[in-house]
Amino acid sequence: DIQMTQSPSSLSAFVGDRVTITCRASQSISNYLNWYQQKPGKAPKLLIYAASSLQSGVPSRFSGSGSGTDFTLTISSLQPEDFATYYCQQSYSTPPWTFGQGTKVEIK
Amino acid sequence: EVQLVESGGGLVKPGGSLRLSCAASGFTFSYYNMNWVRQAPGKGLEWVSSISNSSSYIYYADSVKGRFTISRDNAKNSLYLQMNSLRAEDTAVYYCARKWDYGYYGDAFDIWGQGTMVTVSS
Repeated sequence: DIQMTQSPSSLSAFVGDRVTITCRASQSISNYLNWYQQKPGKAPKLLIYAASSLQSGVPSRFSGSGSGTDFTLTISSLQPEDFATYYCQQSYSTPPWTFGQGTKVEIK
Repeated sequence: EVQLVESGGGLVKPGGSLRLSCAASGFTFSYYNMNWVRQAPGKGLEWVSSISNSSSYIYYADSVKGRFTISRDNAKNSLYLQMNSLRAEDTAVYYCARKWDYGYYGDAFDIWGQGTMVTVSS
């Protein structure tokens, strides 16, 4: 199974900050990498698919990049509604679909 | 509105059984492969099981293989998860999720239900 590792596990940032979250796969997954946002008590929401494609309705301050084993999710200007936990997921070699452990973005 | 609504969660003793349901609406359910994903309290997301649109292909995580059974009824727009021999470590919120094939052999889980809580405790 492909292991997904995110860093950091948590971060604190101010509104307006640029935030970057990293996801690393245990082997090359090309660009078969998705990002999800989860707010407390809510279901995950798909933000980005295929490493860099923005899901419909997702604000353009979210962007994704990377291929192979290393990927990043960037929030260009953090907004109050962006405080949440973010998960990466690989869909290159399935089953199983594997997720990173999550990165919690908190208010500083 | 495209929607998935889970039900059937609750408190069950170790070794017991539970059947979860997921009702789909707002899209052609029979076109899509479906999944169950769970999240233990305070933990991350774990894929549990997948079923193809016609039920021809079924997959399970090693952690539930032999104990859980996924099924669907396209006539009723419903997905199910029969959970037997439940353990404390199965305690989690269980989400159903639609698999979206976006092309180039890639996929993502684009629609999620609100989740249903399963607690395994004596």
